[in-house]
Amino acid sequence: QVVLTQSPSASASLGASVKLTCSLSSGHSSYAIAWHQQRPEKGPRFLMKLNSDGSHSKGDGIPDRFSGSSSGAERYLTISSLQSEDEADYYCQTWGTGLPWVFGGGTKLTVL
Amino acid sequence: QVQLVQSGAEVRNPGASVKVSCRASGYTFTGSFIHWVRQAPGQGLEWMGRINPNSGGTNNAQNFQGRVTMTRDTSISTAYMDLSSLRSDDTAVYYCATDVAWGQGTLVTVSS
Repeated sequence: QVVLTQSPSASASLGASVKLTCSLSSGHSSYAIAWHQQRPEKGPRFLMKLNSDGSHSKGDGIPDRFSGSSSGAERYLTISSLQSEDEADYYCQTWGTGLPWVFGGGTKLTVL
Repeated sequence: QVQLVQSGAEVRNPGASVKVSCRASGYTFTGSFIHWVRQAPGQGLEWMGRINPNSGGTNNAQNFQGRVTMTRDTSISTAYMDLSSLRSDDTAVYYCATDVAWGQGTLVTVSS
């Protein structure tokens, strides 16, 4: 069973950039993932699907400030030109053929 | 665009059942799995199961085996999640989701 590991928290200043990490467990470095954003008191919002080669496809209306990249078993979400509205929990999620969805524990992003 | 609209909040006594609906629009309903995910207060996202709207086939997480039933009505592009034998720790927001979209969530409160 694949396990996704995320740091519990991250912070960055308004206008700066931040890179969040999602680590795939051993033996699962080829898995694609999805990133989701959950603002306070709101439901999750799909941001993008991110492949092992770094290619990604974003959801409708997701700003260009959000981008994804990959390196080995690591999957990254980079948010540039941080805005106050980016303060949220960010979850990574993966799947396999016939396998259930698996979520990381989430990273709480604070915009300073 | 893909849109998922869920039924409203519910309050149930312990031992009762609850049925949450999820109406889909903006895409071919039978073309994508619908997943059910829940989030207890202050906690992360927990996958419950999925339904193939085309065949009606389901896969459930082991934690919910025997308690969750997922169905669909293709004539109205709506999926349903029925959770029985409710306990206080089933108090959570329940979401339906496709690969690229989430419903707004349904709060289910279990309390005597």
